[in-house]
Amino acid sequence: QVQLMQSGAEVKKPGSSVKVSCKASGDTFNTYTINWVRQAPGQGLEWMGRIIPFFHNTNYAQKFQGRVTITADKSTSTAYMELSSLRSEDTAVYYCARGSVEAAGMCDHWGQGTLVTVSS
Amino acid sequence: DIVMTQFPDSLAVSLGERATINCKSSQSVLYSSNNKNYLAWYQQKRGQPPKLLISWASTRESGVPDRFSGSGSGTDFTLTISSLQAEDVAVYYCQQYYSTPDPYTFGQGTELEIK
Repeated sequence: QVQLMQSGAEVKKPGSSVKVSCKASGDTFNTYTINWVRQAPGQGLEWMGRIIPFFHNTNYAQKFQGRVTITADKSTSTAYMELSSLRSEDTAVYYCARGSVEAAGMCDHWGQGTLVTVSS
Repeated sequence: DIVMTQFPDSLAVSLGERATINCKSSQSVLYSSNNKNYLAWYQQKRGQPPKLLISWASTRESGVPDRFSGSGSGTDFTLTISSLQAEDVAVYYCQQYYSTPDPYTFGQGTELEIK
């Protein structure tokens, strides 16, 4: 059974950085893409970027270019999303989601989400 | 970026009745080489992560009740729930996964309630 287990909630100061982890079970890291999607309170879903762990290949939404870094540690089957220069608008639930083999952006399994609160 | 627009923003339907949610993309998400529409529908219940319901515009995921169906092609898509059940109360999102490496954009969501 595919599971994506994310790290716990974080409270950060404006201007700081946050790093969220996503540990995958099964064969996810050898075959699939990991996407990162966020959801501000009461808002919709926003795709941030992705990584193909096998190749360490990344793509980022232009909105987050320069502020987000997605990495993967194949030895522990864990992906990471680091967001820097945090501001209050970055307060959101951050999800990792597995992209299917057929289409990297089709998210067939999701982590439970990590709430990141940015507040002074 | 491909812009996804859903309508209506919210919808109230009686139990047992049909619910229809529409999604329009700013450009075609039909890939001509394989004749597949790169369009998914997700269901998000309160306090939960999204769940993939339908991929390729019309392929129901394993375990999804057959009252859920997807249709459409190119730029216009529809999610239909044939007979609304109480457990279907949720926000529904469409998403295009056509554009690579540009963002895989979502619609703004449609909130479905019981009338």
